[in-house]
Amino acid sequence: GEDVEQSLFLSVREGDSSVINCTYTDSSSTYLYWYKQEPGAGLQLLTYIFSNMDMKQDQRLTVLLNKKDKHLSLRIADTQTGDSAIYFCADSRNYGGATNKLIFGTGTLLAVQP
Amino acid sequence: DTEVTQTPKHLVMGMTNKKSLKCEQHMGHRAMYWYKQKAKKPPELMFVYSYEKLSINESVPSRFSPECPNSSLLNLHLHALQPEDSALYLCASSQEGGGGYTFGSGTRLTVV
Repeated sequence: GEDVEQSLFLSVREGDSSVINCTYTDSSSTYLYWYKQEPGAGLQLLTYIFSNMDMKQDQRLTVLLNKKDKHLSLRIADTQTGDSAIYFCADSRNYGGATNKLIFGTGTLLAVQP
Repeated sequence: DTEVTQTPKHLVMGMTNKKSLKCEQHMGHRAMYWYKQKAKKPPELMFVYSYEKLSINESVPSRFSPECPNSSLLNLHLHALQPEDSALYLCASSQEGGGGYTFGSGTRLTVV
């Protein structure tokens, strides 16, 4: 993705925590998102955070945002084999006038070992 | 209804065919999008329809043409495609101003 970078691969054991990292360059981003994509499927919105927040927790998911460093992370507690998928971070940018567009990171493949 | 519905789920077409992909949402979202996703790559924006105005990614070839019959539908017309256009085509909608973008399950397109 343009200017949104992620590490390509993460392997964890079932029950461990997973941390997926993302860096972005556009300081005007207002919302940042995490999407999950299973093989052959569409994109599932997991969570999102407004840019004036630094943390958001939703059940097993914790999002941390360091706006100064333009760094976003997704922590999955008690990772399960069903969490195996590609995870994309994304930021919403202005596309002209009142129109916004979503720019995706390169994606991180999470492999959960039983 | 919190879904974006895309049809068909799979499509195989020849390079001389004309086909259409359909996308529908009933969430009252005023912005709709088409994205193209190649294998192992992130989705790339093709078109945005927002505030009754169509915005086009300039890198998208003219053999793809969007149509918005009403605020709930955004179709994608395909004509004279090339094998490299084979990909997963994803439709999405959003509330303008932020919040979540909801994606459909996609159309897997194969051009032969």
